[in-house]
Amino acid sequence: DGGITQSPKYLFRKEGQNVTLSCEQNLNHDAMYWYRQDPGQGLRLIYYSQIVNDFQKGDIAEGYSVSREKKESFPLTVTSAQKNPTAFYLCASSAGAGSYEQYFGPGTRLTVT
Amino acid sequence: GENVEQHPSTLSVQEGDSAVIKCTYSDSASNYFPWYKQELGKRPQLIIDIRSNVGEKKDQRIAVTLNKTAKHFSLHITETQPEDSAVYFCAALYGNNRLAFGKGNQVVVIP
Repeated sequence: DGGITQSPKYLFRKEGQNVTLSCEQNLNHDAMYWYRQDPGQGLRLIYYSQIVNDFQKGDIAEGYSVSREKKESFPLTVTSAQKNPTAFYLCASSAGAGSYEQYFGPGTRLTVT
Repeated sequence: GENVEQHPSTLSVQEGDSAVIKCTYSDSASNYFPWYKQELGKRPQLIIDIRSNVGEKKDQRIAVTLNKTAKHFSLHITETQPEDSAVYFCAALYGNNRLAFGKGNQVVVIP
């Protein structure tokens, strides 16, 4: 998991602003994932990407967007359409091709006021 | 559908005793079931996983058992220590290599 980085660790924004969270990995993993964590809610999947230039919606994609232009990068944009954006956001990656283990980045705590 | 449930939500144990957390999953689950440990403010860490072709897997003080007929799998921690205090998440693999996570169990080890 040391090969996955997220920045920044804490992020503060005003309501109505879009914000982009960074996720980078140097593990040469094909698949990358974005999760949202709220107290008592576990981890909920926002978007995932199995390969470069392709991504799919997860369970709570509304108000979020992603891109996967490079294998090592999977940025998440939290748009102003997201009704309750304050949360802890976790990025993960896995090797793919039958290797299912997901490794997480350190997370970004986003606070929108 | 994709659904994973964990019980109990909070578990308190005396140091040295064993802790057991059980998860159930829905019909469409695949063949991979990991367990993650998350300390306060930190990232989830994979601690053990099991595939459906085995019924039990051990790694030092932790073990996972899988009952595919009953659709449940359990995490066993023996000889608990204060550093075992954390939130533990189970998960099950579904289509497109997606993991569905349970809501987590808070384990508190009392010294």
